[in-house]
Amino acid sequence: SQQGEEDPQALSIQEGENATMNCSYKTSINNLQWYRQNSGRGLVHLILIRSNEREKHSGRLRVTLDTSKKSSSLLITASRAADTASYFCATDAGGNQFYFGTGTSLTVIP
Amino acid sequence: DTGVSQNPRHKITKRGQNVTFRCDPISEHNRLYWYRQTLGQGPEFLTYFQNEAQLEKSRLLSDRFSAERPKGSFSTLEIQRTEQGDSAMYLCALSGPPASGELFFGEGSRLTVL
Repeated sequence: SQQGEEDPQALSIQEGENATMNCSYKTSINNLQWYRQNSGRGLVHLILIRSNEREKHSGRLRVTLDTSKKSSSLLITASRAADTASYFCATDAGGNQFYFGTGTSLTVIP
Repeated sequence: DTGVSQNPRHKITKRGQNVTFRCDPISEHNRLYWYRQTLGQGPEFLTYFQNEAQLEKSRLLSDRFSAERPKGSFSTLEIQRTEQGDSAMYLCALSGPPASGELFFGEGSRLTVL
């Protein structure tokens, strides 16, 4: 079974708006990562946040991590049509295995 | 370019046939992973290699599945006696620098079993 669950499953916004997606997981982790996947393509790593970090920024991306609630959020600011993709969180519990959530499908309308 | 080449990109086969997918890293990476992804779902862990040693196998990897990494470089994933439920995207991923914790994915091999 997969470790993470993303919420919402699908999100549709207008270009320029912010997009927020959430990830909940079940066990203790070393780090949590977010990946992006365009339709029919492989996954691309976006950002990693370690268990001792609470917030991290990378360009228009902002990730938060709350280990007490076993949850993370990914915020994409000033969205663009090119941000249309599926976004997955992945957890590393330290066993060299990475478990992915079910994903959030983001559509940014021009 | 993630440095991971997967072949074939698409494979259509009839139920009962055997198929083999190959993953070629452009450069050396210690850990190599195989994932399976069905439509609308996230990638599911199948197995991973540390150099040529297969260290972990998911229960999803039935006895019809076998993976190898003979020289610690490229890897193959073979599915014998394919079933329609095997239809999925098979993704290969490589570990990044030790401190990064990230994975670099190939474009995947899509299998359709008729």
